[in-house]
Amino acid sequence: NAGVTQTPKFRVLKTGQSMTLLCAQDMNHEYMYWYRQDPGMGLRLIHYSVGEGTTAKGEVPDGYNVSRLKKQNFLLGLESAAPSQTSVYFCASSKLATDTDTQYFGPGTRLTVL
Amino acid sequence: RKEVEQDPGPFNVPEGATVAFNCTYSNSASQSFFWYRQDCRKEPKLLMSVYSSGNEDGRFTAQLNRASQYISLLIRDSKLSDSATYLCVGPLSRGGSNYKLTFGKGTLLTVNP
Repeated sequence: NAGVTQTPKFRVLKTGQSMTLLCAQDMNHEYMYWYRQDPGMGLRLIHYSVGEGTTAKGEVPDGYNVSRLKKQNFLLGLESAAPSQTSVYFCASSKLATDTDTQYFGPGTRLTVL
Repeated sequence: RKEVEQDPGPFNVPEGATVAFNCTYSNSASQSFFWYRQDCRKEPKLLMSVYSSGNEDGRFTAQLNRASQYISLLIRDSKLSDSATYLCVGPLSRGGSNYKLTFGKGTLLTVNP
């Protein structure tokens, strides 16, 4: 049981390049989330999904797209990377949408956009 | 006003000390809160849920004060291994769904030998 995994762990992009971050969970969780964490800003929700085939915008969705074609995978895409997207990206999942449900986080992807 | 706000610290305490963190929240309708722990360059992990009646787990106690709209985390008998950033977490009120969380910026704790 690996929990939540993310690939890649590190990436350096040039402005304007595109890339996809992959999140996978083996806990059969319905809900999945993408966050970014920046110094002094805390974790901010980019997009989330409440089930296979569904996605929704979070607090800071601009410049990102997501897809949830399979229940266990949640992809985050950057179509044209900008230096402002330099950040640490965390994926998380949770089983249910209850008040007390825990979100489990992946180890993060450190992205630098030059 | 931010959804949740917490003192960024840093808090530097000696081993064995008792340390307390507070976090204020803006949405009076919020029902559920959490404390997450994040080690340097690692992912956040759930430390404790915060119930209206308080929650205690060993050396850690979390409490919710609805009248003043704050939650607290108390760590007794601090260990070196408690050194981490502690994140206050509550529901993201915009949209009204509790499964979306909003995170405080974190309080950095360093426990010194």
